[in-house]
Amino acid sequence: RKEVEQDPGPFNVPEGATVAFNCTYSNSASQSFFWYRQDCRKEPKLLMSVYSSGNEDGRFTAQLNRASQYISLLIRDSKLSDSATYLCVVNVPNSGNTPLVFGKGTRLSVIA
Amino acid sequence: DGGITQSPKYLFRKEGQNVTLSCEQNLNHDAMYWYRQDPGQGLRLIYYSQIVNDFQKGDIAEGYSVSREKKESFPLTVTSAQKNPTAFYLCASSQQGRQPQHFGDGTRLSIL
Repeated sequence: RKEVEQDPGPFNVPEGATVAFNCTYSNSASQSFFWYRQDCRKEPKLLMSVYSSGNEDGRFTAQLNRASQYISLLIRDSKLSDSATYLCVVNVPNSGNTPLVFGKGTRLSVIA
Repeated sequence: DGGITQSPKYLFRKEGQNVTLSCEQNLNHDAMYWYRQDPGQGLRLIYYSQIVNDFQKGDIAEGYSVSREKKESFPLTVTSAQKNPTAFYLCASSQQGRQPQHFGDGTRLSIL
């Protein structure tokens, strides 16, 4: 099982729609979780951290389900400017390499 | 403004040539990272450094070399041994391993 797995998409949604992405992780000892956004041909940018109790930032809500080992990102009232690739990032304790592992991303296209 | 600066933005390499990509940060971060991203693919870790004068190989270190003589700087050399160097190279830094990483805006390397 890969350390971090995401549905690559693309998710094509109309403006104003609500869309949700899930990301599963394999290491039950993981403790740090993040969502990043990457626009085409640009660098990834931190969108939000994911806290155990769930957290919200405007139209974006992130949740963590430790029992099932997944995190989710919910985007309400989608805007054209939300079109991007969303990367799930998880720390992997005792990993041979960097503690943070990036998923391959889920592509979102918001259509007018 | 605090941030990470990568240079150059675009770089062309001739066959058999070594080239060096620059990465400088003024965020006072301890850890620095180099990733490679191919079109439509996720980030792959090349090297990382958690402290000055120390660095570790990532998943795809062959054909690359790094140094970390100063906290602020983590240059990456793409050697002639790297047979397929055309990619988008991203440098990142973080306060420590579990903290979110902040990225530079990348260097695009192409073969002449």
